[in-house]
Amino acid sequence: AQKVTQAQTEISVVEKEDVTLDCVYETRDTTYYLFWYKQPPSGELVFLIRRNSFDEQNEISGRYSWNFQKSTSSFNFTITASQVVDSAVYFCALSEARNQGGKLIFGQGTELSVKP
Amino acid sequence: DSGVTQTPKHLITATGQRVTLRCSPRSGDLSVYWYQQSLDQGLQFLIHYYNGEERAKGNILERFSAQQFPDLHSELNLSSLELGDSALYFCASSVGSGVASPLHFGNGTRLTVT
Repeated sequence: AQKVTQAQTEISVVEKEDVTLDCVYETRDTTYYLFWYKQPPSGELVFLIRRNSFDEQNEISGRYSWNFQKSTSSFNFTITASQVVDSAVYFCALSEARNQGGKLIFGQGTELSVKP
Repeated sequence: DSGVTQTPKHLITATGQRVTLRCSPRSGDLSVYWYQQSLDQGLQFLIHYYNGEERAKGNILERFSAQQFPDLHSELNLSSLELGDSALYFCASSVGSGVASPLHFGNGTRLTVT
Protein backbone atom coordinates (compact mmCIF):
# COMPACT_ATOMS: atom_id res chain seq x y z
CA ALA A 1 0.00 0.00 0.00
CA GLN A 2 1.13 3.52 -0.66
CA LYS A 3 1.39 5.74 2.37
CA VAL A 4 3.27 8.76 3.66
CA THR A 5 3.72 9.31 7.37
CA GLN A 6 4.79 12.53 8.99
CA ALA A 7 4.84 11.61 12.63
CA GLN A 8 5.52 15.13 13.89
CA THR A 9 2.24 17.01 13.94
CA GLU A 10 3.68 20.23 15.33
CA ILE A 11 7.19 21.52 15.95
CA SER A 12 8.09 24.76 17.65
CA VAL A 13 11.59 26.21 17.55
CA VAL A 14 13.27 29.50 18.25
CA GLU A 15 14.75 31.47 15.38
CA LYS A 16 18.21 30.35 14.26
CA GLU A 17 17.70 26.80 15.53
CA ASP A 18 18.07 23.94 13.07
CA VAL A 19 15.01 21.74 12.63
CA THR A 20 14.39 18.42 10.87
CA LEU A 21 11.02 17.35 9.57
CA ASP A 22 10.61 13.60 9.25
CA CYS A 23 8.92 11.75 6.41
CA VAL A 24 8.55 7.98 6.07
CA TYR A 25 6.90 6.43 3.04
CA GLU A 26 5.58 3.05 1.98
CA THR A 27 5.43 1.80 -1.57
CA ARG A 28 5.75 -1.44 -3.50
CA ASP A 29 6.86 0.38 -6.61
CA THR A 30 10.54 0.50 -7.52
CA THR A 31 10.08 3.73 -9.44
CA TYR A 32 8.58 6.59 -7.54
CA TYR A 33 9.04 10.25 -6.75
CA LEU A 34 9.08 12.08 -3.46
CA PHE A 35 8.17 15.71 -2.96
CA TRP A 36 8.07 18.36 -0.28
CA TYR A 37 5.55 21.19 -0.33
CA LYS A 38 5.21 24.21 1.95
CA GLN A 39 1.87 25.71 2.93
CA PRO A 40 2.37 29.12 4.58
CA PRO A 41 -0.41 30.78 6.60
CA SER A 42 -1.69 32.41 3.40
CA GLY A 43 -2.79 28.93 2.29
CA GLU A 44 -1.12 28.24 -1.04
CA LEU A 45 0.94 25.09 -1.61
CA VAL A 46 4.48 25.81 -2.72
CA PHE A 47 6.62 23.16 -4.41
CA LEU A 48 10.04 22.78 -2.75
CA ILE A 49 11.75 19.69 -4.13
CA ARG A 50 11.31 16.48 -6.15
CA ARG A 51 13.45 13.38 -5.78
CA ASN A 52 13.29 10.15 -7.79
CA SER A 53 13.79 6.70 -6.31
CA PHE A 54 17.04 6.10 -8.18
CA ASP A 55 18.83 9.16 -6.88
CA GLU A 56 19.79 8.97 -3.24
CA GLN A 57 22.09 11.94 -3.31
CA ASN A 58 21.30 14.46 -0.65
CA GLU A 59 20.40 17.90 -1.84
CA ILE A 60 21.05 21.33 -0.42
CA SER A 61 19.38 24.55 -1.46
CA GLY A 62 20.38 27.48 0.68
CA ARG A 63 19.20 26.81 4.23
CA TYR A 64 17.19 23.78 3.09
CA SER A 65 18.55 20.28 2.78
CA TRP A 66 17.00 16.90 2.12
CA ASN A 67 18.18 13.46 3.17
CA PHE A 68 16.78 10.57 1.13
CA GLN A 69 17.48 7.06 2.46
CA LYS A 70 15.84 4.14 0.67
CA SER A 71 17.06 1.69 3.33
CA THR A 72 14.79 3.33 5.89
CA SER A 73 12.17 4.63 3.40
CA SER A 74 12.72 8.13 4.65
CA PHE A 75 12.97 11.53 3.02
CA ASN A 76 13.72 14.03 5.76
CA PHE A 77 13.86 17.78 5.41
CA THR A 78 16.19 20.01 7.44
CA ILE A 79 16.02 23.76 7.77
CA THR A 80 19.24 25.30 9.01
CA ALA A 81 19.19 28.54 11.00
CA SER A 82 15.40 28.73 10.90
CA GLN A 83 13.64 32.03 10.38
CA VAL A 84 10.17 33.29 11.28
CA VAL A 85 9.25 33.19 7.59
CA ASP A 86 9.77 29.42 7.65
CA SER A 87 6.65 29.08 9.79
CA ALA A 88 4.27 26.96 7.74
CA VAL A 89 2.82 23.51 7.33
CA TYR A 90 5.16 21.24 5.41
CA PHE A 91 3.89 18.27 3.44
CA CYS A 92 5.81 15.28 2.18
CA ALA A 93 4.25 13.49 -0.81
CA LEU A 94 4.76 10.34 -2.87
CA SER A 95 3.99 9.64 -6.52
CA GLU A 96 4.25 6.07 -7.86
CA ALA A 97 5.06 5.21 -11.44
CA ARG A 98 2.42 2.49 -11.56
CA ASN A 99 -0.29 5.04 -10.92
CA GLN A 100 -1.52 6.51 -14.11
CA GLY A 101 -0.82 10.17 -14.02
CA GLY A 102 0.93 12.17 -11.35
CA LYS A 103 -1.37 11.56 -8.43
CA LEU A 104 0.30 12.61 -5.19
CA ILE A 105 -0.20 10.87 -1.87
CA PHE A 106 0.34 13.42 0.87
CA GLY A 107 1.35 12.97 4.48
CA GLN A 108 -0.69 14.69 7.15
CA GLY A 109 1.75 17.57 7.34
CA THR A 110 3.99 19.03 10.02
CA GLU A 111 3.19 22.47 11.33
CA LEU A 112 6.40 24.35 12.01
CA SER A 113 6.32 27.41 14.21
CA VAL A 114 9.47 29.51 14.38
CA LYS A 115 9.41 32.03 17.18
CA PRO A 116 11.58 35.17 17.23
CA ASP B 1 3.08 32.98 -7.84
CA SER B 2 2.63 29.46 -9.26
CA GLY B 3 0.86 30.63 -12.39
CA VAL B 4 -2.21 28.52 -11.61
CA THR B 5 -5.34 30.64 -11.21
CA GLN B 6 -8.35 29.54 -9.21
CA THR B 7 -11.63 31.37 -8.89
CA PRO B 8 -13.39 32.24 -6.72
CA LYS B 9 -11.15 32.51 -3.67
CA HIS B 10 -14.02 32.09 -1.26
CA LEU B 11 -17.47 30.62 -1.67
CA ILE B 12 -20.22 30.47 0.92
CA THR B 13 -23.34 28.56 0.07
CA ALA B 14 -26.13 26.56 1.64
CA THR B 15 -26.68 22.83 1.88
CA GLY B 16 -28.28 21.32 -1.19
CA GLN B 17 -26.86 23.92 -3.54
CA ARG B 18 -24.52 23.48 -6.50
CA VAL B 19 -21.29 25.38 -7.13
CA THR B 20 -18.62 25.50 -9.81
CA LEU B 21 -14.95 26.03 -9.11
CA ARG B 22 -12.73 27.21 -11.92
CA CYS B 23 -9.05 26.63 -12.63
CA SER B 24 -6.67 27.96 -15.27
CA PRO B 25 -3.42 25.99 -15.45
CA ARG B 26 0.03 27.44 -15.98
CA SER B 27 0.81 28.33 -19.54
CA GLY B 28 2.01 25.21 -21.33
CA ASP B 29 0.75 22.74 -18.74
CA LEU B 30 -1.55 20.06 -20.10
CA SER B 31 -2.45 18.33 -16.85
CA VAL B 32 -4.92 19.58 -14.28
CA TYR B 33 -5.49 17.97 -10.90
CA TRP B 34 -8.08 18.65 -8.23
CA TYR B 35 -7.41 18.10 -4.54
CA GLN B 36 -9.54 18.59 -1.46
CA GLN B 37 -8.01 19.69 1.84
CA SER B 38 -10.01 19.24 5.02
CA LEU B 39 -9.03 19.06 8.66
CA ASP B 40 -10.05 15.45 9.11
CA GLN B 41 -8.99 14.00 5.73
CA GLY B 42 -5.97 16.12 4.92
CA LEU B 43 -5.04 16.56 1.26
CA GLN B 44 -7.00 14.12 -0.88
CA PHE B 45 -6.66 13.58 -4.60
CA LEU B 46 -9.94 13.95 -6.47
CA ILE B 47 -9.32 13.74 -10.21
CA HIS B 48 -6.74 14.26 -12.95
CA TYR B 49 -7.24 15.45 -16.52
CA TYR B 50 -4.63 15.48 -19.25
CA ASN B 51 -5.28 17.45 -22.42
CA GLY B 52 -9.01 17.16 -22.02
CA GLU B 53 -9.20 13.51 -21.05
CA GLU B 54 -9.79 12.05 -17.64
CA ARG B 55 -6.68 10.16 -16.52
CA ALA B 56 -7.30 9.12 -12.95
CA LYS B 57 -9.95 9.33 -10.30
CA GLY B 58 -9.41 9.39 -6.59
CA ASN B 59 -11.79 9.83 -3.71
CA ILE B 60 -14.27 11.90 -5.65
CA LEU B 61 -17.90 11.67 -4.64
CA GLU B 62 -20.58 10.95 -7.24
CA ARG B 63 -22.07 14.35 -6.44
CA PHE B 64 -18.86 15.90 -7.76
CA SER B 65 -17.84 16.10 -11.40
CA ALA B 66 -15.12 17.80 -13.35
CA GLN B 67 -14.06 18.51 -16.89
CA GLN B 68 -11.19 20.04 -18.79
CA PHE B 69 -12.04 22.23 -21.74
CA PRO B 70 -10.22 22.60 -25.09
CA ASP B 71 -8.47 25.74 -23.80
CA LEU B 72 -7.23 23.54 -20.93
CA HIS B 73 -9.03 25.31 -18.15
CA SER B 74 -10.93 23.04 -15.80
CA GLU B 75 -14.06 23.21 -13.73
CA LEU B 76 -15.04 21.22 -10.67
CA ASN B 77 -18.77 20.99 -10.09
CA LEU B 78 -20.05 20.17 -6.62
CA SER B 79 -23.77 19.47 -6.24
CA SER B 80 -26.22 18.61 -3.46
CA LEU B 81 -23.73 20.16 -1.10
CA GLU B 82 -23.45 18.93 2.46
CA LEU B 83 -21.84 20.50 5.51
CA GLY B 84 -18.98 18.01 5.21
CA ASP B 85 -18.06 19.34 1.79
CA SER B 86 -16.69 22.48 3.43
CA ALA B 87 -12.99 22.43 2.59
CA LEU B 88 -10.21 24.08 0.68
CA TYR B 89 -10.21 22.89 -2.93
CA PHE B 90 -6.94 23.08 -4.79
CA CYS B 91 -6.26 22.89 -8.47
CA ALA B 92 -2.77 21.98 -9.64
CA SER B 93 -1.18 21.73 -13.05
CA SER B 94 1.87 20.08 -14.54
CA VAL B 95 3.56 19.85 -17.90
CA GLY B 96 3.22 16.15 -18.46
CA SER B 97 0.89 13.42 -17.34
CA GLY B 98 3.36 11.28 -15.49
CA VAL B 99 4.70 10.95 -12.00
CA ALA B 100 7.89 12.94 -12.53
CA SER B 101 6.29 16.29 -13.21
CA PRO B 102 6.00 18.37 -10.06
CA LEU B 103 2.53 19.74 -9.48
CA HIS B 104 2.13 23.49 -9.16
CA PHE B 105 -0.82 24.46 -7.04
CA GLY B 106 -3.17 27.39 -7.19
CA ASN B 107 -4.16 29.37 -4.12
CA GLY B 108 -7.27 27.30 -3.60
CA THR B 109 -10.98 27.98 -3.27
CA ARG B 110 -12.29 27.92 0.27
CA LEU B 111 -15.80 26.50 0.24
CA THR B 112 -18.04 26.96 3.24
CA VAL B 113 -21.37 25.14 3.27
CA THR B 114 -23.83 26.44 5.86
